[in-house]
Amino acid sequence: DTEVTQTPKHLVMGMTNKKSLKCEQHMGHRAMYWYKQKAKKPPELMFVYSYEKLSINESVPSRFSPECPNSSLLNLHLHALQPEDSALYLCASSQDTGVDYGYTFGSGTRLTVV
Amino acid sequence: AQSVTQPDIHITVSEGASLELRCNYSYGATPYLFWYVQSPGQGLQLLLKYFSGDTLVQGIKGFEAEFKRSQSSFNLRKPSVHWSDAAEYFCAVGAEEYGNKLVFGAGTILRVKS
Repeated sequence: DTEVTQTPKHLVMGMTNKKSLKCEQHMGHRAMYWYKQKAKKPPELMFVYSYEKLSINESVPSRFSPECPNSSLLNLHLHALQPEDSALYLCASSQDTGVDYGYTFGSGTRLTVV
Repeated sequence: AQSVTQPDIHITVSEGASLELRCNYSYGATPYLFWYVQSPGQGLQLLLKYFSGDTLVQGIKGFEAEFKRSQSSFNLRKPSVHWSDAAEYFCAVGAEEYGNKLVFGAGTILRVKS
């Protein structure tokens, strides 16, 4: 299995809702990432998990809450989002946190906040 | 500060013509260099990467890229473009000195005309 699987593919949520994005990989990778990509923009790093521990938080608002329950699974919990949070959320994984390992990306969750 | 520049926002080429997408970086160290491709609404797929050694690297789908240290460039090339190559292409750079974070350029949208 050489894929990163993200669910759901599309999500529409209200500003008072709580929802979660899920990311799963079975490549034995020990680093996992959340990226946010606005329309016509490059991906921007949000969080990095290394060996199931949060190692980087790029000053992301607390309405985004990451969680790594085990080495194969990464969640992003969403609460009280704003319309400007609408974007494509990409999960990625790599063998380790060294950038030389290269990242494998999932196909993303398209989030719309209404 | 480190940066990645893709000077061309859009490029249009005819099917069968050659292609070159430009990428320049500004890093104080020897960076790790990547090219990714993204089809609309999809995740990112790694085309190729350069860490060291031969400055001409071969990737998937017939793409290649050349690292030129003197010009701080890592341009992507393909000798003959196919209609299926139409997508957005991102150059990305990382370095251990900058926390192993992968930084993306703004992207170049490739259109292929028949």
